[in-house]
Amino acid sequence: GESVGLHLPTLSVQEGDNSIINCAYSNSASDYFIWYKQESGKGPQFIIDIRSNMDKRQGQRVTVLLNKTVKHLSLQIAATQPGDSAVYFCAENIYTGKLIFGQGTTLQVKP
Amino acid sequence: DTAVSQTPKYLVTQMGNDKSIKCEQNLGHDTMYWYKQDSKKFLKIMFSYNNKELIINETVPNRFSPKSPDKAHLNLHINSLELGDSAVYFCASSQEAQGTGGYTFGSGTRLTVV
Repeated sequence: GESVGLHLPTLSVQEGDNSIINCAYSNSASDYFIWYKQESGKGPQFIIDIRSNMDKRQGQRVTVLLNKTVKHLSLQIAATQPGDSAVYFCAENIYTGKLIFGQGTTLQVKP
Repeated sequence: DTAVSQTPKYLVTQMGNDKSIKCEQNLGHDTMYWYKQDSKKFLKIMFSYNNKELIINETVPNRFSPKSPDKAHLNLHINSLELGDSAVYFCASSQEAQGTGGYTFGSGTRLTVV
């Protein structure tokens, strides 16, 4: 069936540390993956994406890694800040354009 | 300027009622979506429209009926509301039907059925 899962429901990190949020996906036909951030009371906000022909992509303070062999996706946030506190979702986009979301990981940043 | 706007933001209604949620996007995108987020934060697609044409219709009760009068608008009408319909409903849009480039989400409509 369709599913995208996250390994941990909650991740707590110290301000300034690096954060790593993991995600496992099940559909080997998926060719495009996206990470979203959702703050309380708001809609999901696009962070970074990666296509299946890449294994790494970097943005500003964020890096997404894709391991197609084990169907694993991760989001790395450098120098985590209080404003990074949110729920993070990975999502896979199969060819029909249907975005399948994982359960979400809550990132808590301790000052 | 709000890119994807939904109204209302909050909706409290009694079981059995009929209600509508409206969505508009000013991004010039061709594709629009409705997603449902349950109490455990799980997001699941309900419908998508590309240029007013329905392209994705997930297993959703037929009490839910989307309507797209033009490609900038996608409304969701719900008949005979049930307690289990309580959730946050998100509208989203993307430039392409494939969704590449990411979706832009609205801020959500919190529906509470009592």
